[in-house]
Amino acid sequence: ETGVTQTPRHLVMGMTNKKSLKCEQHLGHNAMYWYKQSAKKPLELMFVYNFKEQTENNSVPSRFSPECPNSSHLFLHLHTLQPEDSALYLCASSHGYEQYFGPGTRLTVT
Amino acid sequence: KQEVTQIPAALSVPEGENLVLNCSFTDSAIYNLQWFRQDPGKGLTSLLLIQSSQREQTSGRLNASLDKSSGRSTLYIAASQPGDSATYLCAVRVPNFGNEKLTFGTGTRLTIIP
Repeated sequence: ETGVTQTPRHLVMGMTNKKSLKCEQHLGHNAMYWYKQSAKKPLELMFVYNFKEQTENNSVPSRFSPECPNSSHLFLHLHTLQPEDSALYLCASSHGYEQYFGPGTRLTVT
Repeated sequence: KQEVTQIPAALSVPEGENLVLNCSFTDSAIYNLQWFRQDPGKGLTSLLLIQSSQREQTSGRLNASLDKSSGRSTLYIAASQPGDSATYLCAVRVPNFGNEKLTFGTGTRLTIIP
């Protein structure tokens, strides 16, 4: 256990659905991240939050909407996704150099 | 643009052997390099972090080296065990418009054969 939890662990959704991914960290870190991991591609950084403020949006389509209500929680709201959005979505947190990753949510868009 | 390459993409070795995983990066302007382990369908576990001023780091049977000028890092695993089977990822921390970001390689999938 890294101290970063993600729910749900698996999610299947249709292209017209709206769902949310949740990440929670119990480490007292001030930065949180969303990454996308697709098959045979490097991890792609999606969003970064520092002290609840978004400091990076890595050209992510607007069908992905992040929310960071406090330093311990991070959400990724999903709507009208495409099949190519199917991937493992990883959350991470950090305080300094080292990032700690959650177990990920395996998302399948049908 | 920083690119990180890991070769080979997959590697199988008999239990007990020593092995080396390779990582190369195109831009030497990095803050540090980190090796991660990822088990199937799981998140990443940090193994070793080497600062740009360091040459190597050791943890148990693992030793990571860094040659920043040539853009290379290696992860050495001694006396391999079946439990070492996983995908190993390297990532470099780079400047990013006043912030920092991790740029990952695609990983090497390691299988240790009992």
